[in-house]
Amino acid sequence: DTAVSQTPKYLVTQMGNDKSIKCEQNLGHDTMYWYKQDSKKFLKIMFSYNNKELIINETVPNRFSPKSPDKAHLNLHINSLELGDSAVYFCASSYGTGETQYFGPGTRLLVL
Amino acid sequence: AQSVTQPDIHITVSEGASLELRCNYSYGATPYLFWYVQSPGQGLQLLLKYFSGDTLVQGIKGFEAEFKRSQSSFNLRKPSVHWSDAAEYFCAVGAGGSYIPTFGRGTSLIVHP
Repeated sequence: DTAVSQTPKYLVTQMGNDKSIKCEQNLGHDTMYWYKQDSKKFLKIMFSYNNKELIINETVPNRFSPKSPDKAHLNLHINSLELGDSAVYFCASSYGTGETQYFGPGTRLLVL
Repeated sequence: AQSVTQPDIHITVSEGASLELRCNYSYGATPYLFWYVQSPGQGLQLLLKYFSGDTLVQGIKGFEAEFKRSQSSFNLRKPSVHWSDAAEYFCAVGAGGSYIPTFGRGTSLIVHP
């Protein structure tokens, strides 16, 4: 059984488009995260939700909007995509914000 | 705020050789420390973690790490590297509670046959 799943795995789109990435975890965790990994493998935290409430919102353009319909899901919507948004986006979850994180397989976004 | 330094961007070893990946952290109290591995095209997977107790921790895939408070280090070791260990390795430091773990920049391990 997949613990943390993301869809789609690959996303190729044009500049200016709007796209969404979905994340689901079946681990019963109450905290979920979105990370952006750039081409140099640097991992940057974008958002964190605890029990559907936003607890961390790092310096991310407001074109990025997370939505958590329930504890098991954290989706990421991106408006007006830019070339610099090309990266791998990882969803993760944990029991608490300082605890072990379980990562999804990543979504490889390419903006043309 | 906590921070993590992984001083080596790339490490190259021969298969069967021993390995040590360095990690230094900055945090005022006893940290939560993690090592994650990312295989090509995959997400991150926990190798091992230290929260308290024995400072030498064993992880999966034959890895171990030692917490040295005096050196603010949490180096990852493996006595004999296999070609399948080629991957990106991330050290992370957290503090429990409401602190989200901070990740280092990663060390890329290359294994020569």
